[in-house]
Amino acid sequence: DAKTTQPPSMDCAEGRAANLPCNHSTISGNEYVYWYRQIHSQGPQYIIHGLKNNETNEMASLIITEDRKSSTLILPHATLRDTAVYYCIVTDSWGKLQFGAGTQVVVTP
Amino acid sequence: SAVISQKPSRDICQRGTSLTIQCQVDSQVTMMFWYRQQPGQSLTLIATANQGSEATYESGFVIDKFPISRPNLTFSTLTVSNMSPEDSSIYLCSVWSSGANVLTFGAGSRLTVL
Repeated sequence: DAKTTQPPSMDCAEGRAANLPCNHSTISGNEYVYWYRQIHSQGPQYIIHGLKNNETNEMASLIITEDRKSSTLILPHATLRDTAVYYCIVTDSWGKLQFGAGTQVVVTP
Repeated sequence: SAVISQKPSRDICQRGTSLTIQCQVDSQVTMMFWYRQQPGQSLTLIATANQGSEATYESGFVIDKFPISRPNLTFSTLTVSNMSPEDSSIYLCSVWSSGANVLTFGAGSRLTVL
């Protein structure tokens, strides 16, 4: 699976959009981009995934660049409950996800 | 998505003992996995639990230390054998939903070895 690079931490103001970047320059054509988050002491929670088209669901939007070498997860209106570690994962191996260090997002009032 | 129940949610164990963690899913699933999360670290895949056959272990994990059972499509156990303080971790069960292409995790079992 391709390796991903994420900033180690980000702060975001409550009510504002949070834009989380992820670089995956070695991604191959059949690899998907997945985003998970882990709130302290809980199991990871699925957020969204995509192959090459932008995706949106009730939690977030995923923007994948045309060359697929990077992506951005957008939390449209961050709340305090969005404080978590966010993981960007690239994979074609169903279920066998390689978790990196992720981005610690802190939403402040 | 599938609902996963893990037991115990946490435990404190003595060095040299073994502990079995149970994972129950509310629906039949083909693919089940066990992950470990050491303190302050990210998640690491231990093994794929195969129904009716031996589990497939990732590099660095062996069956003698982490025996896994998968008697049916809704249940699996992970045993942490001959525990040492280095085994203190959160152990997470997960299942793959092939329709949604999503990996769902249980809440985890927090193990502390003294």
